[in-house]
Amino acid sequence: EIVMTQSPATLSVSPGERATLSCRASQSVSSNLAWYQQKPGQAPRLLIYGASTRATGIPARFSGSGSGTEFTLTISSLQSEDFAVYYCQQYNNWPLFGQGTKVEIK
Amino acid sequence: QVQLVQSGAEVKKPGASVKVSCKASGYTFTGYYMHWVRQAPGQGLEWMGWINPNSGGTNYAQKFQGWVTMTRDTSISTAYMELSRLRSDDTAVYYCARKGPQYSSSVYFDYWGQGTLVTVSS
Repeated sequence: EIVMTQSPATLSVSPGERATLSCRASQSVSSNLAWYQQKPGQAPRLLIYGASTRATGIPARFSGSGSGTEFTLTISSLQSEDFAVYYCQQYNNWPLFGQGTKVEIK
Repeated sequence: QVQLVQSGAEVKKPGASVKVSCKASGYTFTGYYMHWVRQAPGQGLEWMGWINPNSGGTNYAQKFQGWVTMTRDTSISTAYMELSRLRSDDTAVYYCARKGPQYSSSVYFDYWGQGTLVTVSS
């Protein structure tokens, strides 16, 4: 059974700085990985699919990279609206989410 | 525009059942699989299963087999998720989510409902 591990659990970043979030799979999921953003009281929002393809309407400051077992979501310059929880999800087999990384204001 | 609108919050007693609805609009309902994902308070996301609105075929996560039922009514573009034998740890927000690509095996979710809070308490 695949296990998805996100790190760190919490990331403290100042507005305008870069944020780098990691997601690791216990076995290869190829490029079958998506990233979501979730704000309090809201449903998740798709950011990235196929490990690196931005979803419709997602700003260019969000970028994804990686394949196999190691993946990264980078937010190049954090805006106030980017402080949220981020989840990775593999879909190499049944959908499975990581436990999330909370990006908070430093 | 694509919208998924779910039914309102529910409070149930342990052992009861709950049925949550998800009304789709803005796209061809039968063209995209619908999935259900739940989120316990303060916790992460847990995938429950899917329904093919066109055929009615379903596939449930192993954990939920035998106690979740997903159905649909194509005449009103609505998907349903029914969970039986509720326990306190089923307290969660339940989301419907549309599978993104129509003609692909890739299972990620491009549109989500607003969520339905189900509280199980005696």
